[in-house]
Amino acid sequence: QKEVEQNSGPLSVPEGAIASLNCTYSDRVSQSFFWYRQYSGKSPELIMSIYSNGDKEDGRFTAQLNKASQYVSLLIRDSQPSDSATYLCASDTGGGNKLTFGTGTQLKVEL
Amino acid sequence: GAVVSQHPSWVICKSGTSVKIECRSLDFQATTMFWYRQFPKQSLMLMATSNEGSKATYEQGVEKDKFLINHASLTLSTLTVTSAHPEDSSFYICSARANRGLDEQYFGPGTRLTVT
Repeated sequence: QKEVEQNSGPLSVPEGAIASLNCTYSDRVSQSFFWYRQYSGKSPELIMSIYSNGDKEDGRFTAQLNKASQYVSLLIRDSQPSDSATYLCASDTGGGNKLTFGTGTQLKVEL
Repeated sequence: GAVVSQHPSWVICKSGTSVKIECRSLDFQATTMFWYRQFPKQSLMLMATSNEGSKATYEQGVEKDKFLINHASLTLSTLTVTSAHPEDSSFYICSARANRGLDEQYFGPGTRLTVT
C-alpha cells in the first residue's frame, strides 16, 4: 500500500524560530510532492510543490526533496503564531491523477 | 488564480433525505476534480475522482450508489449524498486539478454536512 508518513506532533516552536516538518513516502514511482496547510475547521491550502531533488524556496518556506531517501521536508523560517496549523504532506501515486496524503503534523508557534 | 468554490458551506438535513454539494473552479478549467471526506481529527480520505464527461472512479469502500458524482462541465462537479444517515455527517471537500501540465490540486472551502 502506498503510504505517506508524518509525525502527528504537536511540534512546538517559539515565535521567530525555524520549524522543520518531515515526511517520508513509500512509493518510489512518486514524482510530485506537495505541502498543504490546514487550519482547524478549514480546507487545505497549497503552500509548496516540489518535483525535483534539492531545495525550493518561496518566501519563508523551503521545501526539500530527496528521492533516494524518499524524504520530503518543509522548513518555515521566522515562524509566526499564524503559522500554527496542521501541515499535510502529499505525493502523487504515479501519473499525477491522485494524491496520497499523510495524516498531518500539527505545528504550534508559541509567543 | 486557481480558486475553487463549494456550495453550500454547511448543511443540516434529516435522515433519509438527499443533499447535493456543488464544486466549481472559478478561474480555470478542471478536467479532473476530486471529492474527499474528513472526519474530526483525521486526515483527508479520497472518495472519488471525477472526470469531465465520464463516470467517476470511486475508491474502495465508497458506495457509488450512495455518493452520486456528476462532472458535467470543465468547471462544475456535484456530489449528491443520497438517503443520508447520521454516520454520513462529515466535512466534504472537493479539489480541482488545473489543466496546466502540473499535478497541483486546489481545494474548495469544504461543506460541513450534519445529518440529524
